[in-house]
Amino acid sequence: ETGVTQTPRHLVMGMTNKKSLKCEQHLGHNAMYWYKQSAKKPLELMFVYSLEERVENNSVPSRFSPECPNSSHLFLHLHTLQPEDSALYLCASSPSRTPRYEQYFGPGTRLTVT
Amino acid sequence: AQSVTQPDIHITVSEGASLELRCNYSYGATPYLFWYVQSPGQGLQLLLKYFSGDTLVQGIKGFEAEFKRSQSSFNLRKPSVHWSDAAEYFCAVGADTGNQFYFGTGTSLTVIP
Repeated sequence: ETGVTQTPRHLVMGMTNKKSLKCEQHLGHNAMYWYKQSAKKPLELMFVYSLEERVENNSVPSRFSPECPNSSHLFLHLHTLQPEDSALYLCASSPSRTPRYEQYFGPGTRLTVT
Repeated sequence: AQSVTQPDIHITVSEGASLELRCNYSYGATPYLFWYVQSPGQGLQLLLKYFSGDTLVQGIKGFEAEFKRSQSSFNLRKPSVHWSDAAEYFCAVGADTGNQFYFGTGTSLTVIP
C-alpha cells in the first residue's frame, strides 16, 4: 500500500451512532491533517497533527474527536453528528507542517448523516 | 487576512481547445502556490507548485502555471485539453505566517467532445 489511505470510503450513520474514520500514510511524513469538503465551499481544515501532537483545532465541534497514536495513523472519532456534518472528509499528510511542502491527500470518506 | 479566489465556478471547453483557470490570492509576502486536481470520488492530486525562481512552472499531465506578482495571480494553463482532464481544480496558497494553507473554492471543468 502506498500514499495515503482512508477507510471506510463511504459511511452512513444515524445521529446517535458512534463511528471512526481511519487514515494511514505510508510516506514517512511528520504532519497529518483532517479536512472537511462540502459542496461549493473551500476545504475546511479541521485538525493538524505534527509529530503526533495536535497543533491546530479550528473551532471544530466536540462531536468530532481526533486521535493520532503514531506518525502514520490518524483517526477521526464521530459521535452524535448532525445532518450538516454530511460531507467528504479528507485526510492529508506532508513531510512537515511548514507550508512550503505540498500535502498528499487520501481518497476521502463520504459521510452521510441521517 | 489571506485568501484565495477562483473566480470561475464552472468552465466548459471543447476537447483539444486551450484552457486557462484563474487564481488570485491575497497575501503580503511571496506565498507558496499550488494547483491540485480532484477527480470524482478521489482526493486531491498535486499538479504543480511554485516557491521561487522561474515564474512559469511546469507540472504533470501537460499543465503549466504562471506566477504574476503584480497581479497576485497564479493561473493554470493547458494548450490542448483532453477528455480525461474533466475534474475539479483547486488553487492553494501556503503562508509562512501561522503555517497556514488556504484553498480556493475550486473550478469545475467539463470537456465536451
